[in-house]
Amino acid sequence: KAGVTQTPRYLIKTRGQQVTLSCSPISGHRSVSWYQQTPGQGLQFLFEYFSETQRNKGNFPGRFSGRQFSNSRSEMNVSTLELGDSALYLCASSSGTPVNEQFFGPGTRLTVL
Amino acid sequence: AQSVTQPDIHITVSEGASLELRCNYSYGATPYLFWYVQSPGQGLQLLLKYFSGDTLVQGIKGFEAEFKRSQSSFNLRKPSVHWSDAAEYFCAVGEKGSQGNLIFGKGTKLSVKP
Repeated sequence: KAGVTQTPRYLIKTRGQQVTLSCSPISGHRSVSWYQQTPGQGLQFLFEYFSETQRNKGNFPGRFSGRQFSNSRSEMNVSTLELGDSALYLCASSSGTPVNEQFFGPGTRLTVL
Repeated sequence: AQSVTQPDIHITVSEGASLELRCNYSYGATPYLFWYVQSPGQGLQLLLKYFSGDTLVQGIKGFEAEFKRSQSSFNLRKPSVHWSDAAEYFCAVGEKGSQGNLIFGKGTKLSVKP
């Protein structure tokens, strides 16, 4: 089985722009979670989608949003980028059963200038 | 609120020496516990997990971890470290039905001396 894929792997944007990141989960997995990883804050949960519905959301501003398509692929969008949004964004997929074993993609490194 | 503490930010061990990485969690019920490893510039790879049953769990790459409810700990161990084990290790806690939300510790960076 192919693993979780994320595109693009690297991205450079300027303040005020918006960005869209993409995640394709493992085949058959219906749950996709997004995390932000920074040196200062570590790994923080952004949100989780299951069958196209957002089931859970972390403590991030409304500039961070996401969606999931019928094929379980997910996108996250960050609008009005700030310097502090520079981070590694990780996507994880799971089957969505009560036991939430998650498999992570390689991440998208976002740099905001 | 759930939380995970990894007391050691950075650990250096000699190749061939044993390793123990500490993890303490705060959670009201029996949590689901995970250890992940991250190499530079990479995503997270699952090393092992504890859901229930035997408190000593075996994982990949020769790692094991022991769940101790009385100490709220889930320490990761390896009897003999290899240079390729140098990476950052993250302990995480989740709960049944928590809908995709894992709480991670801050991580422990492992360096291996030749």
